[in-house]
Amino acid sequence: GAGVSQSPSNKVTEKGKDVELRCDPISGHTALYWYRQSLGQGLEFLIYFQGNSAPDKSGLPSDRFSAERTGGSVSTLTIQRTQQEDSAVYLCASSPSPRDPAAFGPGTRLTVL
Amino acid sequence: DQQVKQNSPSLSVQEGRISILNCDYTNSMFDYFLWYKKYPAEGPTFLISISSIKDKNEDGRFTVFLNKSAKHLSLHIVPSQPGDSAVYFCAASGNNFNKFYFGSGTKLNVKP
Repeated sequence: GAGVSQSPSNKVTEKGKDVELRCDPISGHTALYWYRQSLGQGLEFLIYFQGNSAPDKSGLPSDRFSAERTGGSVSTLTIQRTQQEDSAVYLCASSPSPRDPAAFGPGTRLTVL
Repeated sequence: DQQVKQNSPSLSVQEGRISILNCDYTNSMFDYFLWYKKYPAEGPTFLISISSIKDKNEDGRFTVFLNKSAKHLSLHIVPSQPGDSAVYFCAASGNNFNKFYFGSGTKLNVKP
């Protein structure tokens, strides 16, 4: 079956531009997570969606970051006015329920010049 | 402040021998732990988990041990195979499961 997909796979942008990263979770998965991995670092939690509950945004590093999940399925992570420190691999993951291990997508590598 | 730490950035093991990957955590409220494996240019894939009510969980060649008093877990791979060469992340969560804290990873190289 199809796994978690993310697009684009690579994104190069100029400092100050806005970017949108897309995640298509596995069908039927109610939990959706965004993480990012900077060079040489572990995975840093960004945001968590569970069903119709209010998302846990506690990991978003600044108000330039936002995310939404439409219809309980596709999610978009938006970064406004990108900075060089935003360069990282952004990973999306989904799971059937919070207690189940999450399946990760391949990630979007963002490079801010 | 990192709540989950993997202090060994890399580990090299001969094929057929045991690989032991270690992970320490600081938050005593963590009660669910996972190991993920990551190949280059791919997302992490789930390997094995353990909840705090157990001290050991085994799945084929992979065994995870949990020492709650020491806030330490380890992943044992026996016997190690060249295809096991990857970066291994441990992760921990409290009972709300809304957020997993990941270590920085250990790169395992299994030599043929």
